[in-house]
Amino acid sequence: EPEVTQTPSHQVTQMGQEVILRCVPISNHLYFYWYRQILGQKVEFLVSFYNNEISEKSEIFDDQFSVERPDGSNFTLKIRSTKLEDSAMYFCASSDKTGRQPQHFGDGTRLSIL
Amino acid sequence: DAKTTQPNSMESNEEEPVHLPCNHSTISGTDYIHWYRQLPSQGPEYVIHGLTSNVNNRMASLAIAEDRKSSTLILHRATLRDAAVYYCILSPKIETSGSRLTFGEGTQLTVNP
Repeated sequence: EPEVTQTPSHQVTQMGQEVILRCVPISNHLYFYWYRQILGQKVEFLVSFYNNEISEKSEIFDDQFSVERPDGSNFTLKIRSTKLEDSAMYFCASSDKTGRQPQHFGDGTRLSIL
Repeated sequence: DAKTTQPNSMESNEEEPVHLPCNHSTISGTDYIHWYRQLPSQGPEYVIHGLTSNVNNRMASLAIAEDRKSSTLILHRATLRDAAVYYCILSPKIETSGSRLTFGEGTQLTVNP
């Protein structure tokens, strides 16, 4: 069964550094998402992406965050200047249509900011 | 977003059926009811979804009340691998833009051997 893959599984970064989290969505999917989950808290939506542009973003997704689909297969989340509070699990998801179709999640990247 | 209410936790015995309830009294006419689960140290996993009629798939069944104000996820024979947090989520039927999933606290299901 096709799956969403995320790399790396664990990223340790110094505060203030830039970090890029990578995702390979399911190949025929059109919609892409990032979510995060701070330890012990709920899964929170960050951003959705369709047709090479952001279609929706949450209040968490401020100017420090950006997303890109640099080629036909990868989908990346960049945090420009990381803060301690960015430490979390980051999940990528994809779906082929919205609403009626499920989102398929990767197993996440654990981001630890020192 | 319309809100859902689930019990914080439930327990079941292995190989017995489990009924996980969800209340969504403010559901709108075009909201789909989605269920996801999250196993320890993994990303959320889609389980099932429906609009009005009951639905079955290889993982579970979804029973939707006639007034759509509640639903029940049914695991027919629980296994130890089904121990997870189960989320009931309403997703609006938006055709042209990405539709966020709003996760609540979910129900922590414990399966006893």
